[in-house]
Amino acid sequence: AQSVTQLGSHVSVSEGALVLLRCNYSSSVPPYLFWYVQYPNQGLQLLLKYTSAATLVKGINGFEAEFKKSETSFHLTKPSAHMSDAAEYFCAVSAHAGGTSYGKLTFGQGTILTVHP
Amino acid sequence: ETGVTQTPRHLVMGMTNKKSLKCEQHLGHNAMYWYKQSAKKPLELMFVYNFKEQTENNSVPSRFSPECPNSSHLFLHLHTLQPEDSALYLCASSQEGAERDEQYFGPGTRLTVT
Repeated sequence: AQSVTQLGSHVSVSEGALVLLRCNYSSSVPPYLFWYVQYPNQGLQLLLKYTSAATLVKGINGFEAEFKKSETSFHLTKPSAHMSDAAEYFCAVSAHAGGTSYGKLTFGQGTILTVHP
Repeated sequence: ETGVTQTPRHLVMGMTNKKSLKCEQHLGHNAMYWYKQSAKKPLELMFVYNFKEQTENNSVPSRFSPECPNSSHLFLHLHTLQPEDSALYLCASSQEGAERDEQYFGPGTRLTVT
């Protein structure tokens, strides 16, 4: 079984400030972890993915996330927020064992990021 | 067309209507998914098709009926829906068994049941 908890349904930052979106996961097998972004009236777009290689993962648009097994966390960060980063962000986990993907993503509830000028 | 496309983008239907949602993926993937996204709830996986075979049905009511005629097309047939079925329905695809098996999403169909 697997689950994802995103701490904070809304995060508000000023333009140029650090963005930190929190995600904790639970998985009975080594997980693959994802961050997706959803802009208004659009589908989900993959930001980045952790697949048991490097623990610090760099994604698109200047975002990165660090896998911390001891803390069961996969927090998303960006050093300097831009107005265009305003969107809803979803953390997700999928179960993988023996190199086989089960193809089932479990999503967190989402965090809405607001960026103020 | 590139990526994953969905039609229609918006749909309003009465509870006695029958309608269908269409999804098409242009990525050469072998797995397709239907998700339901409701306000204030996490995305819910509804159905998974792998090589055209349904491999997952997440206790979805029978008023939702999926169809996958080939690995590029996925339909969701709707009949006698309830107002609580109003939501954004997202389609996704992936290449199962590959190293890069992340799911790619379409823009969704915004469904309103009146």
